[in-house]
Amino acid sequence: DIQVTQSPSSLSASVGDRVTITCRASQSISTFLNWYHQEPGKAPKLLIYSASTLQSGVPSRFSGTGSGTDFTLTISGLQPEDFGTYYCQQSSTTLWTFGQGTKVEVK
Amino acid sequence: QVQLVESGGGVVQPGRSLRLSCAASGFTFSNYGIHWVRQAPGKGLQWVAVSWTDGSTRYYADSVKGRFIVSRDNSKNTLYLQMDLLRADDTAVYYCARVGGNFLAFDFWGQGTLVTVSS
Repeated sequence: DIQVTQSPSSLSASVGDRVTITCRASQSISTFLNWYHQEPGKAPKLLIYSASTLQSGVPSRFSGTGSGTDFTLTISGLQPEDFGTYYCQQSSTTLWTFGQGTKVEVK
Repeated sequence: QVQLVESGGGVVQPGRSLRLSCAASGFTFSNYGIHWVRQAPGKGLQWVAVSWTDGSTRYYADSVKGRFIVSRDNSKNTLYLQMDLLRADDTAVYYCARVGGNFLAFDFWGQGTLVTVSS
């Protein structure tokens, strides 16, 4: 199975900060990499699919880059509603996998 | 609007069985792959299983293979997860999630149903 590893596992940031989260796959997954945001007690919400395509309705402060094994999610100007946990997820193979998550907390 | 509603969760003893349902509405169910994803208390997301459109193509995570079966009834717009030989580490909120029509990601999720395996 393809493993995906996120870093950092947690970070503290302030409103307005630029935040970067990385995801590394154990083998090349082309651009079959997606990003989700989850608030406590809620289902995850899709932010970016195919590594860099913004899901409809998602603010443009979110962006994604990468291909192969290394990927990045960037939030340009963190907003109060952006706190929570972010997950990457690969859909390159028949068995999909998630990263372990990055918790973004208030500094 | 697209809706996915899970049901069937509850408390069950180790070694017993449970069947979850995911009722879909607001879209043509038979045209979409639907997955099960779970989240143990305080933990991250774990992919569990998928049933692609006609129901004959199904895949499972290693941790549930041989114990769980995913199926779908396109006439009832419903996905199922039959869970047998349940273990304590199967305790989690179980979500069903739809794969986007033109991309391989989960564009809609249900609210989840909690399964607790405990004696």
